[in-house]
Amino acid sequence: DTAVSQTPKYLVTQMGNDKSIKCEQNLGHDTMYWYKQDSKKFLKIMFSYNNKELIINETVPNRFSPKSPDKAHLNLHINSLELGDSAVYFCASSQRGDAEAFFGQGTRLTVV
Amino acid sequence: AQSVTQPDIHITVSEGASLELRCNYSYGATPYLFWYVQSPGQGLQLLLKYFSGDTLVQGIKGFEAEFKRSQSSFNLRKPSVHWSDAAEYFCAESMEYGNKLVFGAGTILRVKS
Repeated sequence: DTAVSQTPKYLVTQMGNDKSIKCEQNLGHDTMYWYKQDSKKFLKIMFSYNNKELIINETVPNRFSPKSPDKAHLNLHINSLELGDSAVYFCASSQRGDAEAFFGQGTRLTVV
Repeated sequence: AQSVTQPDIHITVSEGASLELRCNYSYGATPYLFWYVQSPGQGLQLLLKYFSGDTLVQGIKGFEAEFKRSQSSFNLRKPSVHWSDAAEYFCAESMEYGNKLVFGAGTILRVKS
């Protein structure tokens, strides 16, 4: 039973398109995150939601908009995709103050 | 600002040899420290974590790490490396357990047979 699942696993799209990545966790955690891993494998936090409330927004362009319909889901919508958005995006969840973060398998986004 | 440094970008060891991957953290108070492993095309798997108590922590797959406050280090070790350990290893810290992680740049481990 997958703890943190992301869909799709691979996404290839053209510049200028809008796309979404979905994330779901079944761990009962109250906090979810999006991390970006760039082409040099550097991992950086993008957003964090706690109980559906945005608590971290790390200077990410406005084209990126996270949405958390409930505690178990955190989706990432990206408008007007650019070549530089090509990366692997990881979703993660944790129970704030109580547990380590669990990561999804990642979504490899390629913008052509 | 928080930062995590992994000084070695690549490390190559022979199968059966011992391994040490270095990690230095910046957070002044007691940090929460983690080591993750990422195999090619895979997600991140937690190897071990430290947040208090015994400074030598044991993890999965035979890995251990030692927290040294005086050196701001949390180095990962394994006494005998297996070919399946070839992967990229990330050290990370958090100011609060269950809060966002700040990652190092990663160390790629290659294992020679």
